[in-house]
Amino acid sequence: QSALTQPASVSGSPGQSITISCTGTSSDVGSYNLVSWYQQHPGQAPKLIIYEVNKRPSGVSNRFSGSKSGDAAALTISGLLADDEADYYCCSYAGSNVFGGGTKLTVL
Amino acid sequence: EVQLVQSGAEVKKAGESLKISCKVSGYTFTTYWIAWVRQAPGKGLECMGIIHPGDSNIRYSPSFQGQVTMSADKSTTTAYLHWSSLKASDTAMYYCARRDDFWSGYAFDHWGQGTLITVSS
Repeated sequence: QSALTQPASVSGSPGQSITISCTGTSSDVGSYNLVSWYQQHPGQAPKLIIYEVNKRPSGVSNRFSGSKSGDAAALTISGLLADDEADYYCCSYAGSNVFGGGTKLTVL
Repeated sequence: EVQLVQSGAEVKKAGESLKISCKVSGYTFTTYWIAWVRQAPGKGLECMGIIHPGDSNIRYSPSFQGQVTMSADKSTTTAYLHWSSLKASDTAMYYCARRDDFWSGYAFDHWGQGTLITVSS
C-alpha cells in the first residue's frame, strides 16, 4: 500500500472553515469506510478525531467532521480556533493501516 | 482509564541494540492489536507493524520487515520494539498505539507519549 495523498499545508482565519483532502485508491479509501483522522500538536502524540469516515470519539468537538467520495476522504474543521493549528493525518485500513503524508494547518 | 506508557528517550550509537517498551493498562491487553508508529524528524507517521498480544500474531509493514522485531509479554502487559543493530536513519520518535477493531473501525484510539531514539554514527 502506498501512502495516502494529502496537501502539505492549508490555512484559514479564525471562524472560517477549512477542508483537508486525503486521496487514496479503489483498493483502500474507495473500498472501505475505514478512514480515520488524527490531530497532532507540536511535541505531542497524535489524537484520534474521526473514525469510520465521519464518526467522532467522545469528547471531540462537533466542529470536526469527515466525509468520503469515491477514492478520496476529507476532514472539515468549521469555526476555526487558534488551537486547531496542528498537523492532521488521515489513515485508511485495507488489511493494514496506511497514513497520509500529513497536512499542516495554520490559523492566520 | 486506558493508558499506554512508553519507556524513556535513548541516545545510542550505530550498530548498538535497543529494546523500547510500551506498558499498557486500563483494558484487557490480549484483546487489542498494538501498533508501532515511526515519525522521523519533521516527517509524517508511518505504521511499522502491528502485534496481537493474545497470540503474538505479528504483521510487519514491508518497509520494516527484517529491520525490527516486535514482541509482547502478557504477564506484564507490555509490548516491545527491538533493534539488533541501529542505524543513524533509525533516529525518530516512536509511538505505540492501540488499534480498536471493534468500536472504532480499526482506528488507533489510544497512543503512548512517544519514545525519542537518537542514533549517532
